Amino acid sequence: DAGVIQSPRHEVTEMGQEVTLRCKPISGHDYLFWYRQTMMRGLELLIYFNNNVPIDDSGMPEDRFSAKMPNASFSTLKIQPSEPRDSAVYFCASSLGTGNAFFGQGTRLTVV
Amino acid sequence: GENVEQHPSTLSVQEGDSAVIKCTYSDSASNYFPWYKQELGKGPQLIIDIRSNVGEKKDQRIAVTLNKTAKHFSLHITETQPEDSAVYFCAGGEGNKLVFGAGTILRVKS
Repeated sequence: DAGVIQSPRHEVTEMGQEVTLRCKPISGHDYLFWYRQTMMRGLELLIYFNNNVPIDDSGMPEDRFSAKMPNASFSTLKIQPSEPRDSAVYFCASSLGTGNAFFGQGTRLTVV
Repeated sequence: GENVEQHPSTLSVQEGDSAVIKCTYSDSASNYFPWYKQELGKGPQLIIDIRSNVGEKKDQRIAVTLNKTAKHFSLHITETQPEDSAVYFCAGGEGNKLVFGAGTILRVKS
């Protein structure tokens, strides 16, 4: 398996634009997580899904953020409108049950 | 909610020496404590984990200890090598909802 695949690897966008980050989890994994990493706040869990259903979105910073998982092999994290303070590395991770979470390479988002 | 604190923030050791990173947590309901290693430009990678029914776990040069009463757990790396240089994160939580520590930058000097 190729692991968790995220795209794009890097994204630079202007303030106010919509940004969509994509994730393909490891085949067979039933949990999918979205994390954000910044120097100031470290690694934060934004939202996680179980069998494509959002279980806990308490980490989503505000209504500008939304996440979907239309099927077992694809998830998106959308920011609309984007702001400079959204600049961070966004990680997607997947796991089988409550086992090891495997992280993707991350998407480095810069909002100017 | 859970709060995880990690110390030290940076750690420099000589190749061959041991390295110890310590974490404390606040929520007594937490039952899963993984450790991740993150190299530059990559995502965190699980290196070892421990569950609350176990006090110690070892995997080659890496060991983790857990003290549920005191709510702290530690990562021990023996015989450190230059390739151990990375950022290490502890995490704690119940089930899949993990809270991460702030990270420790480990430098192994050869």
